Amino acid sequence: AQSVTQPDIHITVSEGASLELRCNYSYGATPYLFWYVQSPGQGLQLLLKYFSGDTLVQGIKGFEAEFKRSQSSFNLRKPSVHWSDAAEYFCAVAVSNTGKLIFGQGTTLQVKP
Amino acid sequence: DSGVTQTPKHLITATGQRVTLRCSPRSGDLSVYWYQQSLDQGLQFLIQYYNGEERAKGNILERFSAQQFPDLHSELNLSSLELGDSALYFCASSVATGAHYGYTFGSGTRLTVV
Repeated sequence: AQSVTQPDIHITVSEGASLELRCNYSYGATPYLFWYVQSPGQGLQLLLKYFSGDTLVQGIKGFEAEFKRSQSSFNLRKPSVHWSDAAEYFCAVAVSNTGKLIFGQGTTLQVKP
Repeated sequence: DSGVTQTPKHLITATGQRVTLRCSPRSGDLSVYWYQQSLDQGLQFLIQYYNGEERAKGNILERFSAQQFPDLHSELNLSSLELGDSALYFCASSVATGAHYGYTFGSGTRLTVV
């Protein structure tokens, strides 16, 4: 069965430090992968998506993610974190031929001044 | 503003009651999706409609039902409410029927059952 695992429930980084949020997926075919961000009281905003081709994907707000098939991973990165990046981050995989996205449990990012 | 409008933003109701959550998709989008977000279950897919027809069903309880109207807005009806139904309910929309292009989410309706 398809699944998404985000091993880190909560991460704290200092402002200006680099960030990597982990995501592992389980999916039989070539996955369509996504990262969404949810700020408190807000809906989910799409940061970036991977369909095929270049395994390094650029997104909004300076985020990027790298697809590694051999590791079944799609980790999100940012070189320098800003206080406004504090939010909850969700990794998701699309179930082909359906409208369904399977989400991970989310990682809460706290940014220290 | 994502372009997906959900009303109401907050809803407090008693157990056993029935409520209706409304969603207007982004202009031009034909698919509407409903998700439930709770602390213990995370984000769970409930149901999808495409151009008025049900396309996919997830972990939606029999007490819950949805529909999409000719103007493409959608309603999620929750009946015989229980305390455990308290959650954030999101609507999302997309142009096509597959999830692989990603969705645009609304800001959600927070339902509290007391």
